Amino acid sequence: EIVLTQFPATLSVSPGERATLSCRASQSVGSSLAWYQHKPGQAPRLLTYGASTRATGIPARFSGSGSGTEFTLTISSLQSEDFAVYYCQQYYNWPPWTFGQGTKVEIK
Amino acid sequence: EVQLVQSGAEVKKPGESLRISCKGSGFAFHNYWINWVRQMPGKGLEWMGRIDPSDSYVNYSPSFQGHVTISADKSISTAYLQWSSLKAPDTAIYYCARSLIAANPGVFDIWGLGTLVTVSS
Repeated sequence: EIVLTQFPATLSVSPGERATLSCRASQSVGSSLAWYQHKPGQAPRLLTYGASTRATGIPARFSGSGSGTEFTLTISSLQSEDFAVYYCQQYYNWPPWTFGQGTKVEIK
Repeated sequence: EVQLVQSGAEVKKPGESLRISCKGSGFAFHNYWINWVRQMPGKGLEWMGRIDPSDSYVNYSPSFQGHVTISADKSISTAYLQWSSLKAPDTAIYYCARSLIAANPGVFDIWGLGTLVTVSS
């Protein structure tokens, strides 16, 4: 099973600032990595897949990068609606597909 | 509108059985895999398994194999997750999610709002 480690666990950011979230895989997953945003009481939302492809309707301020074992999600200028928990997920090897433990982005 | 609508919250006692549902609309249900994802209280997301509604073929995560059963009825565009004997640690929110496309079945583009299952004596 591929283990994904996200860091930091919590990121405190002011609105308008840049946020950088990291995800490290226990073995190479190529580019088979997705990012999701999750707010309490809501359905998770797909942000990016293929490491860097934005999903339909996702604003350009969200960008994914990386390959192999190191990945990054960057939110260029945080909006109030972006405060949430973010999960990375690998779909290179299954079963199981696995998620990271999440990074909470909170208001500074 | 493309959506997955999940059944309502459940409160059960240990040892009871349960089946929760996930109904798709706005898309050709039989053309997409449906996945189940668990979120235990205060924890992250865990993929449990997936079903292809066209032939009801199922893959389970090793962590959930033998503990739950995933099924589907393509005639009513509905997938199910069931337990024969619930335990307190089954308390969680359970999400269903649609696989994006055949080339990226591990990517989940549409999610339900979740079903809260509480198991308590």
